[in-house]
Amino acid sequence: EVQLEESGGGLVQPGGSLRLSCVASGFTFRNNAMSWVRQAPGKGLEWVSVISGIGGSSDYADSVKGRAVISRDNSKDTLYLQMNRLRGDDTAVYYCAKGGRWLPFDFWGQGILVTVS
Amino acid sequence: QSVLTQPPSVSGAPGQKVTISCTGSSSNIGAGFDVHWYQQLPGTAPKLLIFGNSNRPSGVPDRFSGSKSGTSASLAISGLQTEDEADYYCQSYDSSLSGSVFGTGTKVTVL
Repeated sequence: EVQLEESGGGLVQPGGSLRLSCVASGFTFRNNAMSWVRQAPGKGLEWVSVISGIGGSSDYADSVKGRAVISRDNSKDTLYLQMNRLRGDDTAVYYCAKGGRWLPFDFWGQGILVTVS
Repeated sequence: QSVLTQPPSVSGAPGQKVTISCTGSSSNIGAGFDVHWYQQLPGTAPKLLIFGNSNRPSGVPDRFSGSKSGTSASLAISGLQTEDEADYYCQSYDSSLSGSVFGTGTKVTVL
């Protein structure tokens, strides 16, 4: 059974930093692209970032480009998202998802809330 | 600002059929990139409903079907059931943005 479990969320002040983690299980982590998707309160889904299976390439949404860094540790089956210079409009539930780019997000974590205030 | 446009809401009586449209452009759906659909029940994470325009993952009822034509795609729910009340999102890839894009989302209400 595929499982994705996010951690690291919470309340942070504007201008601060946060690192989200996502531990994966139930599939061969290193063979799959992984993504972060977020959802502001009462709003729709917004793709944030994607990283390839071996971590050699990544892409970012314009809204976080220059402020976010996605990374992975395939030895720990863990995905990360480092968010810097956080703003109020970064407040959202952040989901870790398996897949990305032209592939579907076929499994999702339960989400973790990040509040910037 | 979402790149893919969906109607904000659709509704139907139990047993009826509803259709949700997803309109994109020549840099995403029109460029040949697949469209995927997600169902998000209240307070839960999204779930993959349709992948590759018209394919259902294991466990998804065949009441759900997807199609794609030109710069648009659609999701149809036939035999509407109360448990289908949820938000639905389409998603594709955009070559101009070099990233995934989601639709604006559609709330389905069962009357």
